[in-house]
Amino acid sequence: DAGITQSPRHKVTETGTPVTLRCHQTENHRYMYWYRQDPGHGLRLIHYSYGVKDTDKGEVSDGYSVSRSKTEDFLLTLESATSSQTSVYFCAISERGAVYGYTFGSGTRLTVV
Amino acid sequence: RKEVEQDPGPFNVPEGATVAFNCTYSNSASQSFFWYRQDCRKEPKLLMSVYSSGNEDGRFTAQLNRASQYISLLIRDSKLSDSATYLCVVAGNNAGNMLTFGGGTRLMVKP
Repeated sequence: DAGITQSPRHKVTETGTPVTLRCHQTENHRYMYWYRQDPGHGLRLIHYSYGVKDTDKGEVSDGYSVSRSKTEDFLLTLESATSSQTSVYFCAISERGAVYGYTFGSGTRLTVV
Repeated sequence: RKEVEQDPGPFNVPEGATVAFNCTYSNSASQSFFWYRQDCRKEPKLLMSVYSSGNEDGRFTAQLNRASQYISLLIRDSKLSDSATYLCVVAGNNAGNMLTFGGGTRLMVKP
């Protein structure tokens, strides 16, 4: 399997606190993505990156920011967590872009109380 | 209208049955098509790509109809281990180079 790890695997946090999720890859892939998955909505793109320091917004980016200072790491930050951000977050990587498909990390289960 | 639509199911079938899922997509400029499989509380994993000529991988056959903008997945001789959610996925002709996911179709194979 592709080398992609997400941390933490589970997190419970309080409303209003900042939270950072990490995605780390060892495949040297150019593209990295953050998705959230919720019942009734499927997987929705939050942010993506097409290179170091090159990022852009997805369809549900409000309340989230990202950073990619190295090829291998893509960080997702919830600036002030809300209960609506309780979700499962998946990171994905792709060597040459979406037309070749993605490989997903194992996910982070985040609960905001 | 959602960009990628699937019947959420669940499809309950006995072992050995043949089952088919369909999916429709709205962006006629879409370039690539996939089926992903997702087990409960796990990450999605690529099952197979879908080509215009149709393609087969063991018991799984995928078809693409560009004119009607739908994709199908056929599973023959269903196994208990095929129980999962099947995601229809489309790569659009977009600058962001992103995949768009359908909501998934849940399959339950019973003994």
